[in-house]
Amino acid sequence: TQLLEQSPQFLSIQEGENLTVYCNSSSVFSSLQWYRQEPGEGPVLLVTVVTGGEVKKLKRLTFQFGDARKDSSLHITAAQTGDTGLYLCAGRRDSSYKLIFGSGTRLLVRP
Amino acid sequence: DAGITQSPRHKVTETGTPVTLRCHQTENHRYMYWYRQDPGHGLRLIHYSYGVKDTDKGEVSDGYSVSRSKTEDFLLTLESATSSQTSVYFCAISEGGLGTIDTQYFGPGTRLTVL
Repeated sequence: TQLLEQSPQFLSIQEGENLTVYCNSSSVFSSLQWYRQEPGEGPVLLVTVVTGGEVKKLKRLTFQFGDARKDSSLHITAAQTGDTGLYLCAGRRDSSYKLIFGSGTRLLVRP
Repeated sequence: DAGITQSPRHKVTETGTPVTLRCHQTENHRYMYWYRQDPGHGLRLIHYSYGVKDTDKGEVSDGYSVSRSKTEDFLLTLESATSSQTSVYFCAISEGGLGTIDTQYFGPGTRLTVL
């Protein structure tokens, strides 16, 4: 059983559309991170959220950490083909250095 | 980009043979990690190291061993490879000491196929 569940698993949208990806758990996390991974490469960190209710914006990407620190969402506005990739959420519990990863959402943005 | 290299990048081997994957970093980061990535499972931690000669198990450590004799190198060994160990292996590094905001930087991955 995955501790962090991501939905949807796959998403195919047209360029210019908006989308939201979810990362949910029944456990509390001290922080949550979002990574993006392109084919043949390792994941690259996009953002870290640490406070319940926190919202961070990175250009067209908006990240939110749930009030109870059990879930997070990633919203992309006006998706571009360059947003195509695998989006992974990863959480830390307590003060552990170990990251727990979700199974990922594979996004395809069609021109 | 963080200076992390993995070797080899691709390997095909047969069941029962030993395999060693190498991760090399030039960032002098204290923490190093080995993950495997499989469809539907995201990234799962195999082993990690918090200093030279200091290692610990992750969630999927059975069948794997690691060694870290220098800060810059972290080796992952499959003593007797099995087909279930066919996967993409990623090394990651982090500075540590930053608690919950510590960032992990990933290498390019090694694709291992066990026939």
